[in-house]
Amino acid sequence: DAGVIQSPRHEVTEMGQEVTLRCKPISGHDYLFWYRQTMMRGLELLIYFNNNVPIDDSGMPEDRFSAKMPNASFSTLKIQPSEPRDSAVYFCASSFMAEPIYGYTFGSGTRLTVV
Amino acid sequence: GESVGLHLPTLSVQEGDNSIINCAYSNSASDYFIWYKQESGKGPQFIIDIRSNMDKRQGQRVTVLLNKTVKHLSLQIAATQPGDSAVYFCAENRRQGGSEKLVFGKGTKLTVNP
Repeated sequence: DAGVIQSPRHEVTEMGQEVTLRCKPISGHDYLFWYRQTMMRGLELLIYFNNNVPIDDSGMPEDRFSAKMPNASFSTLKIQPSEPRDSAVYFCASSFMAEPIYGYTFGSGTRLTVV
Repeated sequence: GESVGLHLPTLSVQEGDNSIINCAYSNSASDYFIWYKQESGKGPQFIIDIRSNMDKRQGQRVTVLLNKTVKHLSLQIAATQPGDSAVYFCAENRRQGGSEKLVFGKGTKLTVNP
């Protein structure tokens, strides 16, 4: 198994531009999580999906952020327009069940820099 | 507000020594805790977990201790090796309404000196 695959690994963009981050979960996992990591706030859960349906998006910072999961093998996190304070590492994780006891597998992350 | 935090942001030890990383949590309703290891350029990786009805759990070279009275969690690494150098996070499983969230602490950076 290739694990959770995220792309791109690094993204540098100018303020105001649209940014799209991509994630391919582990096959058979029906939960997908988007996390953001910064030095100041640590790892924060942004949103998670179950069977492609968003369950909890209370961590999404504002309307500039949106996430979709059109099918079981693909999810996107979009920021439009991007701002310098969005600079962070964004992680995608997938799981067989919602409870972390079943194991969350994290991808390697996308490092986003907004200048 | 409620949070999961760490006492020490950095820890430096000699190879072969034992390491202890501490974590304080504030939500007494959390029923499950996990320690993750994050190496540079990688995502967090599961190390060991513990349920709230336990005080101690041991794995290979790692032990997690849970003190619910003072809401404290610790990770002990025996015979620390250079490969243990990483950032370590504690996380609590927090149930709110109809959803569950894994809430992470800010992390402790462990450096193992040869």
